Amino acid sequence: AQKVTQAQTEISVVEKEDVTLDCVYETRDTTYYLFWYKQPPSGELVFLIRRNSFDEQNEISGRYSWNFQKSTSSFNFTITASQVVDSAVYFCASDYGGATNKLIFGTGTLLAVQP
Amino acid sequence: DAGVIQSPRHEVTEMGQEVTLRCKPISGHDYLFWYRQTMMRGLELLIYFNNNVPIDDSGMPEDRFSAKMPNASFSTLKIQPSEPRDSAVYFCASSSHRPSGNTIYFGEGSWLTVV
Repeated sequence: AQKVTQAQTEISVVEKEDVTLDCVYETRDTTYYLFWYKQPPSGELVFLIRRNSFDEQNEISGRYSWNFQKSTSSFNFTITASQVVDSAVYFCASDYGGATNKLIFGTGTLLAVQP
Repeated sequence: DAGVIQSPRHEVTEMGQEVTLRCKPISGHDYLFWYRQTMMRGLELLIYFNNNVPIDDSGMPEDRFSAKMPNASFSTLKIQPSEPRDSAVYFCASSSHRPSGNTIYFGEGSWLTVV
């Protein structure tokens, strides 16, 4: 079955701490894409990153970085020096190649950054 | 550039009433998606269109739900009659060309409460 698992339901950190959000996916497809979205308290879904299955290079964007490891089927997201504005629910998702054209979302991780 | 625009942002209606949610996708995008977010089921795809044609409506919960896309810049999701269990956030999203691997951009959501 195609599935995205975010085992961490809630994480609470103090400002300036680093935090890693885990994402594990299951697929039998060879071509697929992985995404992270942020849902702040205002409710909108904000795109953060897309990664395809052929590109295992890690990516860094400011305080955000992503570690994609096909060997462990993981696509983890790290926030360095967290800030209160990072408080949100973060969703990992996958679009399984051309099979379904659907985004399958994980259940989300609620990140609370305390001042 | 304008993002995906949804209306209304908030709707409170009585059970049995008809509800119509509206969406304007990003200009030039040829895929349009309707997602629903609930605490119990998380984010789930209801239906998606390609070039205004419904491709997969297997996520539509029942016949009370219907969606249309009369042109490339407008779509509606209608619930008739509405029930309390339809209370959720309904997201419209759009992407260009193939959704597989292309970023899917979400609107701010329509928060529906059926009392």
